[in-house]
Amino acid sequence: DAKTTQPPSMDCAEGRAANLPCNHSTISGNEYVYWYRQIHSQGPQYIIHGLKNNETNEMASLIITEDRKSSTLILPHATLRDTAVYYCIVINTGTSYGKLTFGQGTILTVHP
Amino acid sequence: GAVVSQHPSWVICKSGTSVKIECRSLDFQATTMFWYRQFPKQSLMLMATSNEGSKATYEQGVEKDKFLINHASLTLSTLTVTSAHPEDSSFYICSARRQGPYGYTFGSGTRLTVV
Repeated sequence: DAKTTQPPSMDCAEGRAANLPCNHSTISGNEYVYWYRQIHSQGPQYIIHGLKNNETNEMASLIITEDRKSSTLILPHATLRDTAVYYCIVINTGTSYGKLTFGQGTILTVHP
Repeated sequence: GAVVSQHPSWVICKSGTSVKIECRSLDFQATTMFWYRQFPKQSLMLMATSNEGSKATYEQGVEKDKFLINHASLTLSTLTVTSAHPEDSSFYICSARRQGPYGYTFGSGTRLTVV
C-alpha cells in the first residue's frame, strides 16, 4: 500500500474550517484514500474515503487532486470535540487482506 | 452503521496470567479482523490479521505464541495475551472489515495493565 505523509500537528480556531493535507504520491489506480481520526483513548473513527472524485458527508469533505497524489480533509466548522489525531491511509480494498497501516497522523488541536 | 464491540474496555492483571480480549461485529459479518497495539503517544501498530476459519497472519516481530488469536466465527475474534508481563501493558484495538470498499470499523479499545 502507498505511503502517506502528513504534517505532525495543526491548530485551528473553533468555528473555522480545518484543512488537513495528505501526500500520497505513490498511490496506484486501485487504491482508495481513507481518513480516520482517533480521540484520546478511543478506537479510530471512520470519517470519509474516496477514490478520485471529491466526497462529502455529514462529517467532512475530501478533496483529491486530479493526479491523486495528494488530498485534503476539510472539517468545515471545527469544534473543540474535533481535537484528535487524524490519519490519512491509502489502501487497496481489492486485495485479500487489505490491511490498514497507520502512520503518525496529524494532531489537530481546535482552540476556542 | 457497522458496529464493532470490544470487551473489556480495561483490565488489570498480574504478571504471568493470561488475558482474553473479545472483538465482535454486531451488525455485519466480518471475514477479516485486525488487531492493533498502541503505546502512549504512538500510532497504532498492526499486530495480526485474522480470517474466519483459518490461522492468523502475524506481523514481523509479533510473537504468535504469546498473542493467540482465534476467529472462530464471522462475528467474533479473540486475542489472548498469554503469560502477560508489564511490558505488554498497552492499548489493544481490534478492527473489522466489511466486504467491498466500505471501510473498516474499530472497536473502542482495551487498556491492559499488567502489574
